[in-house]
Amino acid sequence: QQPVQSPQAVILREGEDAVINCSSSKALYSVHWYRQKHGEAPVFLMILLKGGEQKGHEKISASFNEKKQQSSLYLTASQLSYSGTYFCGTENAGNQFYFGTGTSLTVIP
Amino acid sequence: DGGITQSPKYLFRKEGQNVTLSCEQNLNHDAMYWYRQDPGQGLRLIYYSQIVNDFQKGDIAEGYSVSREKKESFPLTVTSAQKNPTAFYLCASSFNGLAGSTDTQYFGPGTRLTVL
Repeated sequence: QQPVQSPQAVILREGEDAVINCSSSKALYSVHWYRQKHGEAPVFLMILLKGGEQKGHEKISASFNEKKQQSSLYLTASQLSYSGTYFCGTENAGNQFYFGTGTSLTVIP
Repeated sequence: DGGITQSPKYLFRKEGQNVTLSCEQNLNHDAMYWYRQDPGQGLRLIYYSQIVNDFQKGDIAEGYSVSREKKESFPLTVTSAQKNPTAFYLCASSFNGLAGSTDTQYFGPGTRLTVL
């Protein structure tokens, strides 16, 4: 029931764009996105609710396709500070919440 | 300042010993969670609690125990029955943990447990 993220890892140069995908086998009510710096706690980025619109925060935005049970996180014009591991968290109708497998993102100069 | 504290940051334990990890929050959140994170892996839920004196097992509860005697505190005991306890342990809290809410989880800094 753990959502699957892809890619597992990605390396970018500053200024490049990236997309991280999160797929679930269950119907979803909401999708949460978090970023974790190495050795630190995950930090909340945004939440997308069923029936909700695409969310954005500066150059990081996300979409939620309820029919496909998928969410995508878009990082545009990446900065060094974007480096970290990104996790999606999915909530299904049974009040079950699972974090995804994680995507390691490295931005290099 | 409101937040979640975990102690200690690093913990070493001999095989066969029980150890308790502390988690305290002053955010007035009803729900609290314990996750385990292994290198290169995601977060796996050990236990969670939505209200004082009540808690539920997560996916990997075997070898762990918790208590929720106070709203602010949710300690985790790693028992000798846990076969592979070396990991990074994260505590989190959220407003009410109810389905359909816009609940987000706030994480503590984590405790890195090493079994010698």
